[in-house]
Amino acid sequence: AQKITQTQPGMFVQEKEAVTLDCTYDTSDQSYGLFWYKQPSSGEMIFLIYQGSYDEQNATEGRYSLNFQKARKSANLVISASQLGDSAMYFCAMRFLKIGNDMRFGAGTRLTVKP
Amino acid sequence: DTEVTQTPKHLVMGMTNKKSLKCEQHMGHRAMYWYKQKAKKPPELMFVYSYEKLSINESVPSRFSPECPNSSLLNLHLHALQPEDSALYLCASSQEITSGPYNEQFFGPGTRLTVL
Repeated sequence: AQKITQTQPGMFVQEKEAVTLDCTYDTSDQSYGLFWYKQPSSGEMIFLIYQGSYDEQNATEGRYSLNFQKARKSANLVISASQLGDSAMYFCAMRFLKIGNDMRFGAGTRLTVKP
Repeated sequence: DTEVTQTPKHLVMGMTNKKSLKCEQHMGHRAMYWYKQKAKKPPELMFVYSYEKLSINESVPSRFSPECPNSSLLNLHLHALQPEDSALYLCASSQEITSGPYNEQFFGPGTRLTVL
């Protein structure tokens, strides 16, 4: 069974510093996609970054980068130069190459950026 | 237009009421999804529609009835709900589900439902 684990219920970071949010997964599928979403208190899920299982290079999107270690089955999110607006819930998620192709989410990490 | 819209933003209903949640997207996506999210929990998939046909029903109680009248619209009809059904209901859309796992889902802002 596919499982996604986020072991950090809450994280604190000082403004302008970098922070890493952990995500590990367990699957026997070879073809899958890894995603990170941000959910502010308003509720909307905001797509941040994507990594495909066959991508050899780590994905980057502005201040977000994904540290993908396939052999270790980890897909950590790195946020550089944290801003107060980064305070939110962050979810790691996976999709698989199968009928339905639905998104499965980890439990989430609540990030708080301190001024 | 890269937006998924949901109405209403907030809904309070009694256990005997019938109400509907609405979701709309104009990105040409052919897959649409309903998720339920309880406080401090991740979203849980309820239904998946592909080309206006229901492809996944994650054992959701029949008091929740989805409908996809066309490729841009997705409804969730609610009837005889229980207080434990109070949650944030999120709609999402993506490109065709058969195109692989490489397409992100775009989420709407959600409807906060309270059942009294």
